[in-house]
Amino acid sequence: EADIYQTPRYLVIGTGKKITLECSQTMGHDKMYWYQQDPGMELHLIHYSYGVNSTEKGDLSSESTVSRIRTEHFPLTLESARPSHTSQYLCASSDTGTGNEQFFGPGTRLTVL
Amino acid sequence: GNSVTQMEGPVTLSEEAFLTINCTYTATGYPSLFWYVQYPGEGLQLLLKATKADDKGSNKGFEATYRKETTSFHLEKGSVQVSDSAVYFCALSDRLAGGFKTIFGAGTRLFVKA
Repeated sequence: EADIYQTPRYLVIGTGKKITLECSQTMGHDKMYWYQQDPGMELHLIHYSYGVNSTEKGDLSSESTVSRIRTEHFPLTLESARPSHTSQYLCASSDTGTGNEQFFGPGTRLTVL
Repeated sequence: GNSVTQMEGPVTLSEEAFLTINCTYTATGYPSLFWYVQYPGEGLQLLLKATKADDKGSNKGFEATYRKETTSFHLEKGSVQVSDSAVYFCALSDRLAGGFKTIFGAGTRLFVKA
C-alpha cells in the first residue's frame, strides 16, 4: 500500500543526545519535506528535497540536517538535542504530476528533557 | 511574495451549524489551492483542492470555490458534526523558479459541541 511512514511516533530523550527521525514513502514521489509544528499550530518548513542528492534549507532556521540518498528515504538528524528542539516533526512528500498535493506522515513528537 | 491568510480560531459551533472558514491568498502566478485537515495526534491530510479559477473542490460535505477575482478559497460545510473538530489549514502551491513551493496558512481550530 502506498503510504508515508515516520518513526518513532514519540521520543523522549535527554539533552545532548544525537537523534535521527526516520521518514519513508512508498509512492515514488520525487519531492520530500520536513516541517516543525507545535501541535495544532502553524507549520514551519525546515528542509526539503527535490530528488536524490538534493537538499535545501527551508524558511525556518534549524540546527537539524537531512540527507536524500534514496528516493524513498529522507531522515532528519539532530547532532545534539536541546529542550528548544521539543516539538512535533512532520514529514511530507509530493509529486509534480498531482499539482503538488502533499502527503503527510503521522508525525514524530519529540521531547528533549 | 506569495502568502495565505486564514481566519483566526478557535471557531466553536454546535452540531448541525453552518461552517465558514475564510481564506485569502496572494500569488504572482496561477496557484493550486488546498484545504488540509489535521485531527488530534495526526499529520495533515488533504481535504479538498482546486487547480484553476472557478473550480469547486468538495469532499465529506465540505466545499470551497477558487475565486480569482477576490483571491479567496473559503471553506464551507452546511451541517458540522462533532467528528469535524480539528485544525484546518488553507494552502497554495505555485510554480516558482526551480520547482513548486507550497505555503500554508496558520491554521484554524474548529470545536464542534454536541
